[in-house]
Amino acid sequence: DGGITQSPKYLFRKEGQNVTLSCEQNLNHDAMYWYRQDPGQGLRLIYYSQIVNDFQKGDIAEGYSVSREKKESFPLTVTSAQKNPTAFYLCASSWSGNRPNTEAFFGQGTRLTVV
Amino acid sequence: RKEVEQDPGPFNVPEGATVAFNCTYSNSASQSFFWYRQDCRKEPKLLMSVYSSGNEDGRFTAQLNRASQYISLLIRDSKLSDSATYLCVVNKNTGFQKLVFGTGTRLLVSP
Repeated sequence: DGGITQSPKYLFRKEGQNVTLSCEQNLNHDAMYWYRQDPGQGLRLIYYSQIVNDFQKGDIAEGYSVSREKKESFPLTVTSAQKNPTAFYLCASSWSGNRPNTEAFFGQGTRLTVV
Repeated sequence: RKEVEQDPGPFNVPEGATVAFNCTYSNSASQSFFWYRQDCRKEPKLLMSVYSSGNEDGRFTAQLNRASQYISLLIRDSKLSDSATYLCVVNKNTGFQKLVFGTGTRLLVSP
């Protein structure tokens, strides 16, 4: 079945450590995204990528890094520079370009907790 | 002002009721609009796209008013399973997809 897979589902990190969240899709989508969701808040864009080997900062990129070496994969690293990393992280993918009404498909999310 | 604004609710309604949510957006250049549903501690899933002429999918009706820059979602004959958070989503479609999410409106349907 086609879809988008995030792992792990739950992740615990000690303060000062970097962690990498995995996101893989087999939908043949060009565009991939990382969002962060905090309780009672909407989704905020961290990074996005329209094509392999290219990515752009979103609205809250500080303390995060990404890579896009393969079309299927868009891992997110939460670095120790991120001051408040505890959140629900959602990866999404979609067709890119100027197609109207193109929906985004989401992975099941990774819940990161800093202990 | 937030790019996409929604009443957070919660909206508490009995089964069978009709409930409506509104959402306003600030960027007049926005071109695509969606309603997503998000269950507690789950990922958002597309409920329906919103077309200029309005569209209906079973018990759900979505409407767009470009002049006033708002989107609405109407749910008729509410079911217990409709309890969720409904996210209003706007896309600028400016060369790449930048989906801007509202904070969501929580709906609780009770027996």
